Parts: sequence; structure tokens; C-alpha cells
Amino acid sequence: GIQVEQSPPDLILQEGANSTLRCNFSDSVNNLQWFHQNPWGQLINLFYIPSGTKQNGRLSATTVATERYSLLYISSSQTTDSGVYFCAANQGGKLIFGQGTELSVKP
Amino acid sequence: EPEVTQTPSHQVTQMGQEVILRCVPISNHLYFYWYRQILGQKVEFLVSFYNNEISEKSEIFDDQFSVERPDGSNFTLKIRSTKLEDSAMYFCASSPTGGGTIYFGEGSWLTVV
Repeated sequence: GIQVEQSPPDLILQEGANSTLRCNFSDSVNNLQWFHQNPWGQLINLFYIPSGTKQNGRLSATTVATERYSLLYISSSQTTDSGVYFCAANQGGKLIFGQGTELSVKP
Repeated sequence: EPEVTQTPSHQVTQMGQEVILRCVPISNHLYFYWYRQILGQKVEFLVSFYNNEISEKSEIFDDQFSVERPDGSNFTLKIRSTKLEDSAMYFCASSPTGGGTIYFGEGSWLTVV
């Protein structure tokens, strides 16, 4: 089955810094989603992005389907951005998750 | 905004007991899912459900597990004879189409003691 790999596994930022999270997937996918898992365990939908670029406030995402990767950009990070960021590739109607990037934003 | 709702938010059960986790998917959605996340690990697919039957299941979803859509709104996951290793967050999800955005509920945290 498809493999989804995320990097880096951990990231510590000072408040106000920018960061880029990467998601590589091993096969063609129907679409790709990015999630933020908050400290209470909830999975918050960030982006549905099978290809191209989308922006939502300080967050933006780009997926290059032909090269099988997606990037999540976080600008001007805030302490509330802390948590685990997951990408998940939709293949055959189900999502396959990566291992996540654990982000910690320090004040 | 419509959302997937799950109950209970947290359940503690004795090993060997049966547990039913309940979900109300978004009302016009046709595809339903259960996922599991063991503490500190990634989210894993368990089962997908469409047109009143299982469309796909993972190797985790063995005979201990079953799903049901008992009426037009609820979608349940039953775990028979729970084991310690069943302790995890269980997420219900739904989607209007198989390839579109999949929306997750807030999760049900199951602790087996």
C-alpha cells in the first residue's frame, strides 16, 4: 500500500518564526489532506489539497501531485499553533496518515 | 457548520467487556469511516462503510470489531471482548464522496483496564 512520510518529526520554533512541513507519498493519490491535532486530540481539517496551492490566513499548502509531495507553510507562528500536524493521502477512498510532525512554538 | 459528533468522549471499560462507540455523521454524507489512534502513534484506518455495507477494512479490523448503521443517522463501532491493547482514540469520519474531503469527529477515547 501507499507510504506517507512526514518531515521533520519534531520542530521547535520561537513565536513569530516561519516553518515548512513536508509530506511525501509513494504513489498516486485521489487527494491529500492536512490536519492539526490539538492538545485535546481533536483532528482539525486544515486543507483539502489534491494539487496546487491554497492559503488560509497564516497557513498555506502546496501539493505537487506529479512529484508526490505536499508542503504546509506556517508563517508568523503562534503558541496556539503547537500540536501535531498530520498529512493524509486518500487512495481508494480511505486516508492513509503519515507519522506526523510535532510542532512546539515557544513564547 | 455541520460536524461529525461522537459519543462518549471518554469511556473506561474492564478487559473482556463489550463497548459500543456511537457516531452521527454529517447528514448528507454517504461514506462513513472509523479510524484508531493509539497514544503517541499515527492515525490508522479501520473500516469504511458505504451503501449499508463494509466497503473496505484493514487487518486491524478483525472479528472482534463490527460496524452498523442502525437507523438513518447513527453509525456505530462495536468492540467485543475488549483487550488492553484496544485502548486508543477512536475517530469516526464521513465524506459526501469517496474521493473528497473526509471530516472527522472529535474522537472517543477508550481506556481498557
